[in-house]
Amino acid sequence: EAGVVQSPRYKIIEKKQPVAFWCNPISGHNTLYWYLQNLGQGPELLIRYENEEAVDDSQLPKDRFSAERLKGVDSTLKIQPAELGDSAVYLCASSFNSGSGELFFGEGSRLTVL
Amino acid sequence: DQQVKQNSPSLSVQEGRISILNCDYTNSMFDYFLWYKKYPAEGPTFLISISSIKDKNEDGRFTVFLNKSAKHLSLHIVPSQPGDSAVYFCAASDDNNDMRFGAGTRLTVKP
Repeated sequence: EAGVVQSPRYKIIEKKQPVAFWCNPISGHNTLYWYLQNLGQGPELLIRYENEEAVDDSQLPKDRFSAERLKGVDSTLKIQPAELGDSAVYLCASSFNSGSGELFFGEGSRLTVL
Repeated sequence: DQQVKQNSPSLSVQEGRISILNCDYTNSMFDYFLWYKKYPAEGPTFLISISSIKDKNEDGRFTVFLNKSAKHLSLHIVPSQPGDSAVYFCAASDDNNDMRFGAGTRLTVKP
C-alpha cells in the first residue's frame, strides 16, 4: 500500500513568487493534515481536513496561505506571495479518522525562499 | 504557546545502554500521547503510543511511561542500537484530535 505522497520534494523560489504543494493521502484516510516544520522545531499544524471540510484552520496565515481538498482525497497548499520566513518543510499527514491518534506522514516538501 | 515540551535537544548514549527521552505537557485535556521517530529527509514515523487511562505501554525494546499527575511522559529504549539514532518527537492530542508536537530530541547511539 502506498504511503502519503507529497510533491515536489524540494522547491526554491524567490520571495514574492507563488508556490504550491500537493499531497495524496493514504487511500481511505478521511483526515488530512498540513504541518509546517521549521529547522530544529516540531511540526506545527496549519490546517486539518475531515473529508473535504477544513475543520481546523486557525493556525493558517490566511493572508498568504490557502489550501483545498475539493473531492476529499488529495490536497493542495498554496503560498502567494512567499516570504523569506516561509522557508521550511511542509509536511502532509493523514489518518483513518479523527481521534485515532496515529498520523502517517509524507516525506515533506522543503521550501527555500531566496 | 508550547503545550508539549522536550527540554533536551540532544541525547547521546552507548550502544546496548538505555536511552530515556523525556516530554512534558501543560494541557490537561490531552488524552493520547505518541512518540514519532524521524530520520533525515524523511517524514516522522509513528513509534509507540499510550492512552491516558494507562501508565505504561511496551512494544519490544520501546516502552512509554505516562505520569498524568506530573504531566510527564518518557520513552525508554533498551537496549539502544545505532539504528535508533534519529530525532524523536513527542506528541499529544485531545478528543478533538488537535495534535501538538514537541521540538524533538536528537538521539545518537554510539557503537
